[in-house]
Amino acid sequence: GAVVSQHPSRVICKSGTSVKIECRSLDFQATTMFWYRQFPKQSLMLMATSNEGSKATYEQGVEKDKFLINHASLTLSTLTVTSAHPEDSSFYICSARKEGATGELFFGEGSRLTVL
Amino acid sequence: GENVEQHPSTLSVQEGDSAVIKCTYSDSASNYFPWYKQELGKGPQLIIDIRSNVGEKKDQRIAVTLNKTAKHFSLHITETQPEDSAVYFCAAIIQGAQKLVFGQGTRLTINP
Repeated sequence: GAVVSQHPSRVICKSGTSVKIECRSLDFQATTMFWYRQFPKQSLMLMATSNEGSKATYEQGVEKDKFLINHASLTLSTLTVTSAHPEDSSFYICSARKEGATGELFFGEGSRLTVL
Repeated sequence: GENVEQHPSTLSVQEGDSAVIKCTYSDSASNYFPWYKQELGKGPQLIIDIRSNVGEKKDQRIAVTLNKTAKHFSLHITETQPEDSAVYFCAAIIQGAQKLVFGQGTRLTINP
């Protein structure tokens, strides 16, 4: 299967700082990557769709200036949580779709963000 | 847009018994239906999927069935084992769309 790597797996930061999470497709090229947020005991909430070389498409209610997404290459997308606050603490998960594929998504291992 | 409903929210079965999780979708244009297993603190892992041109697919102890007329699909796990304990999510995608729509999840517990 395809491997998606997410880094860091856990991060703790102070309120007001910014945190960057990386999502890499290790053995395939991904024209489209997705970023999700997951609260405890809940389903995955799509935050944005990231297409290589273009601006991300954000879901309704997600602040694009707070959650900066960059998809600079076919194997890397980054999510930066700017000026983080305790309410931004969550589990962030990325997923990627193989170039040319339809439907099938592969997920990273997730990143647990804790904002103090 | 597409809406996916998943039931039950929690399921507890004895080891060795079968477990069935059901999902319904709203948009008849949906054509791809994956199932994901998520263990605590980890990302979802694709365990099986089915496309709309197929009614059933099986992979060892796991099977998925699709009823396009009724717009529902189900995950069947036979001979359950403790390591099957996890949260399972169904999802659907409309043909030509980019994003998956997920169900609410089912927390499956296998009792030894």
